[in-house]
Amino acid sequence: DVVLTQSPLSLPVTLGQPASVSCRSSQSLVHSDGKTYLHWFQQRPGQSPRRLIYKVSNRDSGVPDRFSGSGSGTNFTLRISRVEAEDVGVYYCMQGTDWTWTFGQGTRVEIK
Amino acid sequence: QVQLQESGPGLVKPSETLALTCTISGASGAYDYWSWIRQSPQKGMEWIGNIYYSGSTNYNPSLKSRVTMSVDTSKNQFSLKVTSVTAADTGIYYCTKNRYRGFENWGQGTLVTVSS
Repeated sequence: DVVLTQSPLSLPVTLGQPASVSCRSSQSLVHSDGKTYLHWFQQRPGQSPRRLIYKVSNRDSGVPDRFSGSGSGTNFTLRISRVEAEDVGVYYCMQGTDWTWTFGQGTRVEIK
Repeated sequence: QVQLQESGPGLVKPSETLALTCTISGASGAYDYWSWIRQSPQKGMEWIGNIYYSGSTNYNPSLKSRVTMSVDTSKNQFSLKVTSVTAADTGIYYCTKNRYRGFENWGQGTLVTVSS
């Protein structure tokens, strides 16, 4: 299975400051169709996960533009340009390239 | 707006079968495909498998021998069965609607506890 390794696992941030989460894959996430199925999810406390970013860098409907995704191959990043209080939660990367879909272990974002 | 709702017993005895249903609203169904995912402190987020509108499936190899998914398009529902459950199957189970080989819409989740 593809192993996704996130860092850091805990991220204290100051309101209004940027934040960045890394996701590294044990193998390339480029599918045979040429696309990269690496997605990012946010799980707020007590809620179901919500997809923020699909295929590396595309924001889902309704996602604020302070969230952005980038990367290629095996290295990917989720960035929050200015953290707001509602961004507290756990962020997961997930890959749908390989036959077995897998998640990263999650990064907890909290306010300092 | 797609909405998904999981339902089923919250408590299952060891060695018995876990059975959940996901009811879909607001989705056409044609060409759609759906997943079950579970979350636990021990294993984190774990993809269980996918089922397509046609009924074809693909399962996580780690669970394949115990998992069955089915779809009932007339009822706008799809279902999950996990046999021979143990405490390791305890967790929150989510159903999702997929797009771009990822989980676009999620249900609210249902907690399943395996205990005698």
